[in-house]
Amino acid sequence: GEDVEQSLFLSVREGDSSVINCTYTDSSSTYLYWYKQEPGAGLQLLTYIFSNMDMKQDQRLTVLLNKKDKHLSLRIADTQTGDSAIYFCAELRANNAGNMLTFGGGTRLMVKP
Amino acid sequence: DGGITQSPKYLFRKEGQNVTLSCEQNLNHDAMYWYRQDPGQGLRLIYYSQIVNDFQKGDIAEGYSVSREKKESFPLTVTSAQKNPTAFYLCASSDLFYGYTFGSGTRLTVV
Repeated sequence: GEDVEQSLFLSVREGDSSVINCTYTDSSSTYLYWYKQEPGAGLQLLTYIFSNMDMKQDQRLTVLLNKKDKHLSLRIADTQTGDSAIYFCAELRANNAGNMLTFGGGTRLMVKP
Repeated sequence: DGGITQSPKYLFRKEGQNVTLSCEQNLNHDAMYWYRQDPGQGLRLIYYSQIVNDFQKGDIAEGYSVSREKKESFPLTVTSAQKNPTAFYLCASSDLFYGYTFGSGTRLTVV
């Protein structure tokens, strides 16, 4: 299985907040990322957080990082139907070939009107 | 505008045929990657290249081949040895610190 874990599915009502959670395994990861994938499209970088930060806010998006528990979350305020997509978290790891991203399996967010 | 372009968007392959998926980037990124995505699934790494004229196998390289003769280009060939090639293929490039930039994908179907 994947080393980066996410729940498969989240359903919310339009206007509510969404919280998508992710756990990772490599405590030496320097950067952690959130990507959004709409149907039939590639992945779009939403935001990233450096490992020495606890929180990062960007408009409706808030990223929280708990390094002790290796837990990352993405909060979307005032969720809209256009936010319906698959969300992937990823951690940057170093290996013999250099730095690479390891992705979680993705969380499908469904926003109901 | 800088970006990464995959072509074609849709591709149909007959049994026993090799097909090549194109990936081109003008971001001046050194590293490039190919992923496979099956319906409702996450990403699985096929091949990656950190520098021109060098590439490494990912988790599911069997039945695939790549080349990296130019920095801008990283084509993926799906060979007849790949028994279940129907999937969505994503190419990405990276400057290693600010995440990956993804193409819009190629959907390959065996007919």
